[in-house]
Amino acid sequence: SQTIHQWPATLVQPVGSPLSLECTVEGTSNPNLYWYRQAAGRGLQLLFYSVGIGQISSEVPQNLSASRPQDRQFILSSKKLLLSDSGFYLCAWNQDRGLGELFFGEGSRLTVL
Amino acid sequence: AQRVTQPEKLLSVFKGAPVELKCNYSYSGSPELFWYVQYSRQRLQLLLRHISRESIKGFTADLNKGETSFHLKKPFAQEEDSAMYYCAARGAGGSYIPTFGRGTSLIVHP
Repeated sequence: SQTIHQWPATLVQPVGSPLSLECTVEGTSNPNLYWYRQAAGRGLQLLFYSVGIGQISSEVPQNLSASRPQDRQFILSSKKLLLSDSGFYLCAWNQDRGLGELFFGEGSRLTVL
Repeated sequence: AQRVTQPEKLLSVFKGAPVELKCNYSYSGSPELFWYVQYSRQRLQLLLRHISRESIKGFTADLNKGETSFHLKKPFAQEEDSAMYYCAARGAGGSYIPTFGRGTSLIVHP
């Protein structure tokens, strides 16, 4: 069966420090991968998506970047965190084919102080 | 532009009352519609999809193409239905990226 793992679950970082959130999918190949930010009252904001290794599309300009070094690995990064980067980040995957359902990770709570 | 609108940020009802969470979409063609739910301390997960025409946990959602709506309904709310609900749409014909609404927080009081 397919699973998605996301870590760390909680992270507290000072302003200006780097960030690396990791996401790994198991049990499937060539998934579409997504990073979302979930904020109260603002819903789910799509940050990045990837259809294959090394292919990253950004939905909104920001202080963050994403990379896909392997087929089932998706990384969210920042070189210097801002206070406004605080939030709850969700990784997700789906397939082009099938019923389109998104499968989400458990999320990473980032607090920038 | 592709858009999913959930007009209510918060919906508060008493146990046993009917519930309707509204969702309207603006999409070209015939999109696929979904409802996702996030219970407290659990991951976001699919509740139901319009093409399955299913009832999950007593919830149903009917696609109304004329009104471009996909409202989620349950005749008798339960306390365990309290959660965050997101409506989502995905374009048909190869556009695989779903668009989410802002979400509606449902609180069911005892």
